[in-house]
Amino acid sequence: DAKTTQPTSMDCAEGRAANLPCNHSTISGNEYVYWYRQIHSQGPQYIIHGLKNNETNEMASLIITEDRKSSTLILPHATLRDTAVYYCIVLRNDMRFGAGTRLTVKP
Amino acid sequence: GAVVSQHPSWVICKSGTSVKIECRSLDFQATTMFWYRQFPKQSLMLMATSNEGSKATYEQGVEKDKFLINHASLTLSTLTVTSAHPEDSSFYICSARDLSGRGGEQFFGPGTRLTVL
Repeated sequence: DAKTTQPTSMDCAEGRAANLPCNHSTISGNEYVYWYRQIHSQGPQYIIHGLKNNETNEMASLIITEDRKSSTLILPHATLRDTAVYYCIVLRNDMRFGAGTRLTVKP
Repeated sequence: GAVVSQHPSWVICKSGTSVKIECRSLDFQATTMFWYRQFPKQSLMLMATSNEGSKATYEQGVEKDKFLINHASLTLSTLTVTSAHPEDSSFYICSARDLSGRGGEQFFGPGTRLTVL
């Protein structure tokens, strides 16, 4: 498996940008990077994914380094409802979850 | 967007009984569905992968005779926990792969919380 490494936890002030890093140094050239989040007692929610280029949607932006060994998920204006566990996943045949980053957005 | 449903959302059963959990892809066809289990304060652990019309592939350490998976159609997969025991109490989550999407992304259901008394 292409292992990912994420900080265990992060805090962010409400209204500020939340930048969540992920290392995936063993990623292969055709493997996508996916980000999901899980709010307590719910199923994972898709956020964004990318291959090489930076991506942006209504929820977040994904910045992938040129060597593809790391990426950063950016929530531009974090709200209290963004408090969740965020998972960075490198997709091979299936999605395997690491420990993720517990993001706490504080007022 | 693609929606995956699970039924029931929660279930309580007595030890020794069997419980069936359904996973449906509501607006797309899914040739592959996945079953995960999540214990409190832990991450999701992949249990098995099921392909429509064929036998499921189980992860190491997951008992195939205890966790029966049926994927009889392109929109429905079921997980039956047979002879459930308290240690099977967990949050069970399914996902379905939409092959029409970029990268073969998976869409996740809301989960089923199983409590075995």
